[in-house]
Amino acid sequence: GNSVTQMEGPVTLSEEAFLTINCTYTATGYPSLFWYVQYPGEGLQLLLKATKADDKGSNKGFEATYRKETTSFHLEKGSVQVSDSAVYFCALSDLRTGNQFYFGTGTSLTVIP
Amino acid sequence: EAGVAQSPRYKIIEKRQSVAFWCNPISGHATLYWYQQILGQGPKLLIQFQNNGVVDDSQLPKDRFSAERLKGVDSTLKIQPAKLEDSAVYLCASSLIRGAGSYEQYFGPGTRLTVT
Repeated sequence: GNSVTQMEGPVTLSEEAFLTINCTYTATGYPSLFWYVQYPGEGLQLLLKATKADDKGSNKGFEATYRKETTSFHLEKGSVQVSDSAVYFCALSDLRTGNQFYFGTGTSLTVIP
Repeated sequence: EAGVAQSPRYKIIEKRQSVAFWCNPISGHATLYWYQQILGQGPKLLIQFQNNGVVDDSQLPKDRFSAERLKGVDSTLKIQPAKLEDSAVYLCASSLIRGAGSYEQYFGPGTRLTVT
């Protein structure tokens, strides 16, 4: 079946530090991969996506590369800001199940000045 | 473009009472999803509609939860009777599926339900 495993948090970083949040997946087909971000009191917002192997998604300084050989989609940012404090969810979608999404458990990030 | 709208934003009820949530997806989005997000966890799919038909409701507790999407636009999710473990945020999302592409889901702000 399909599933997503994220590194557990919470993660606390100082401003301008390097961020990595690990995400690995299990899929029976060829899924699309996503990172969503959830700010306090808000719904989930799409951060970036990749639809096939070796694709790199990027947005707002965040990047993630779809690695089929390691079944991974790790999120990275070179220099985090206080405004990046949020919960980050890795997800995959499988067209064979009607675009159903499978979410990881989320990783809470706090960036301190 | 307007986003996914949900109401109410917050609801507090006693156990065994009933409650209903409303969702209006992005215009033109054929697919609508309801998720349950328990504190500290990722969203769990409850039900997925394609237009006004159910695609997947395998994780919907049908003895107490029901959902409908009349006319393929707005949707309501109902819980009757509520239990303490139903306390969660209920998220509605919509997406556009066309051809062979896999499209991202757009989420509403959610309804935070507290059952006492």
